[in-house]
Amino acid sequence: GAVVSQHPSWVICKSGTSVKIECRSLDFQATTMFWYRQFPKQSLMLMATSNEGSKATYEQGVEKDKFLINHASLTLSTLTVTSAHPEDSSFYICSARDYGGSGYGYTFGSGTRLTVV
Amino acid sequence: TQLLEQSPQFLSIQEGENLTVYCNSSSVFSSLQWYRQEPGEGPVLLVTVVTGGEVKKLKRLTFQFGDARKDSSLHITAAQPGDTGLYLCAGDWAGKSTFGDGTTLTVKP
Repeated sequence: GAVVSQHPSWVICKSGTSVKIECRSLDFQATTMFWYRQFPKQSLMLMATSNEGSKATYEQGVEKDKFLINHASLTLSTLTVTSAHPEDSSFYICSARDYGGSGYGYTFGSGTRLTVV
Repeated sequence: TQLLEQSPQFLSIQEGENLTVYCNSSSVFSSLQWYRQEPGEGPVLLVTVVTGGEVKKLKRLTFQFGDARKDSSLHITAAQPGDTGLYLCAGDWAGKSTFGDGTTLTVKP
């Protein structure tokens, strides 16, 4: 089945620094990928839709300059948290859909636990 | 306004008991998905329901899609501690996946 690889699985950074998270579709091409944020014991909140070769579409309330998304190829999307602050600490998850597969669901990465100190 | 509402939000039961989780909406979905997520991991797709009235079984899990395709349920028979996790329903809305609030299930041995 479709596999989405997310890296790193966890990262600790200092306040004010930037962190990049990668999301790769390993065995299929993904023109669209999605980035979510999740707080403990809560559901996934869609942050933005990453579009290959064009600008990402951000959900209302998500700062574009804070969360930079780049989707430079059909298998890679990156999320960069710029000038990170402790309130940015969270679990970030990406997903993609394999339209060539038999199911309708999305495949998720294993998530990245970001801690800003 | 949450497009998909799940209930209950939290559920704690003993091993061997049965349970049902509900996912309701006022909107019609072309399909609904159910996911299970363990702490520190991404959600894993359990099933997709597409046809109104559809029933799908996955071992001890039974999924139903409402006739009007606005609601779905997940029933677990004889729950086991390994079923513990966050259960999420999701549906396509405007080309992206929208999630319910989730149900945190704890099955005690």
